[in-house]
Amino acid sequence: AQSVSQHNHHVILSEAASLELGCNYSYGGTVNLFWYVQYPGQHLQLLLKYFSGDPLVKGIKGFEAEFIKSKFSFNLRKPSVQWSDTAEYFCGLGTYKYIFGTGTRLKVLA
Amino acid sequence: EAQVTQNPRYLITVTGKKLTVTCSQNMNHEYMSWYRQDPGLGLRQIYYSMNVEVTDKGDVPEGYKVSRKEKRNFPLILESPSPNQTSLYFCASRPPGETQYFGPGTRLLVL
Repeated sequence: AQSVSQHNHHVILSEAASLELGCNYSYGGTVNLFWYVQYPGQHLQLLLKYFSGDPLVKGIKGFEAEFIKSKFSFNLRKPSVQWSDTAEYFCGLGTYKYIFGTGTRLKVLA
Repeated sequence: EAQVTQNPRYLITVTGKKLTVTCSQNMNHEYMSWYRQDPGLGLRQIYYSMNVEVTDKGDVPEGYKVSRKEKRNFPLILESPSPNQTSLYFCASRPPGETQYFGPGTRLLVL
């Protein structure tokens, strides 16, 4: 069965700290992976996606993620977070049927 | 402006009173989907549609119905809502080979 696990449920960082949010998945075939962000009171917006090709994917707002097939992982990274990155982050996979992780709430302290 | 719209945005209802949440997209997307978001559970897919008259169950379809009679619209129907369907609902659509665009959400409270 397909599944997505996000290990960190709540993360608190100071501005300029580095960020890494974990995402592991279970899926038997070719996988399409993505990260979405939900700012307070807003709908989900795509941060980045991996369908194929270069396993290091760059997204918007300085975020990147690395697809490591051997570890079934797709961790999200940002070298230096800003207060405006405070949001909830969702990892997911799918093509028609989609599975999302339970989300990670990030709070960045100014 | 390309967008996914949902109506209503907020809804309070009582157990057993049928309701419909509408979803419409103006991007001519064939694929549309419904999700519910609950604290600690993330987003869970309710139903999806790959095209007009083609729908399939997601992970949590119980208690919900959908229809896809036109490409642009994908309403979510709760025939007999119950308190455990209190949630934040999102509709989404996407073009072939791309990721989903999400609507603004509908917050539903079932008393």
